[in-house]
Amino acid sequence: EPEVTQTPSHQVTQMGQEVILRCVPISNHLYFYWYRQILGQKVEFLVSFYNNEISEKSEIFDDQFSVERPDGSNFTLKIRSTKLEDSAMYFCASRTGISYNSPLHFGNGTRLTVT
Amino acid sequence: KQEVTQIPAALSVPEGENLVLNCSFTDSAIYNLQWFRQDPGKGLTSLLLIQSSQREQTSGRLNASLDKSSGRSTLYIAASQPGDSATYLCAGVSGNTPLVFGKGTRLSVIA
Repeated sequence: EPEVTQTPSHQVTQMGQEVILRCVPISNHLYFYWYRQILGQKVEFLVSFYNNEISEKSEIFDDQFSVERPDGSNFTLKIRSTKLEDSAMYFCASRTGISYNSPLHFGNGTRLTVT
Repeated sequence: KQEVTQIPAALSVPEGENLVLNCSFTDSAIYNLQWFRQDPGKGLTSLLLIQSSQREQTSGRLNASLDKSSGRSTLYIAASQPGDSATYLCAGVSGNTPLVFGKGTRLSVIA
């Protein structure tokens, strides 16, 4: 069964450094998402992306964050200058259809640790 | 704004027992509700999606129901097994908001 792939599985970085988290969504999917989960907290929405542009973003997704689909397969999340509170599990997700009635498929996540 | 709550936060049952996990949501104009499983340190595996026009969905030993009027969904697991031990998350979509998650119920099935 096709799946969403995320790399790396674990990233350790120092505060103030830039990180890029990578995702390969399922190939025929059109809508792409980033969510994060701070340890012990709820899974939170960051941003959605469709037709090469951001369609929605949360208040968490400030100027330090950006997303890009540099080619036909990859979808990246960049954090420009990491803070300690950015430490979390970051999940990429994709769905096939325009309707919200298509299920969201998640990757296994990238655990980001900022020291 | 959609809020999703899951009670209890943790549940421990003996193997073989049937069990129900509860999820409540505040916005009854929900498009769909999706149940996920999360193993420790892992991603989210989609279990079932119930559309607003449906009352329930079944997959194997899992049955999920949706009652929009009461703002509730349940996930029924029949004949639980130790391999069912995981955190179960429900998440709803309403209006133009993306998927909103509950905090999950951590299930332990004891052999």
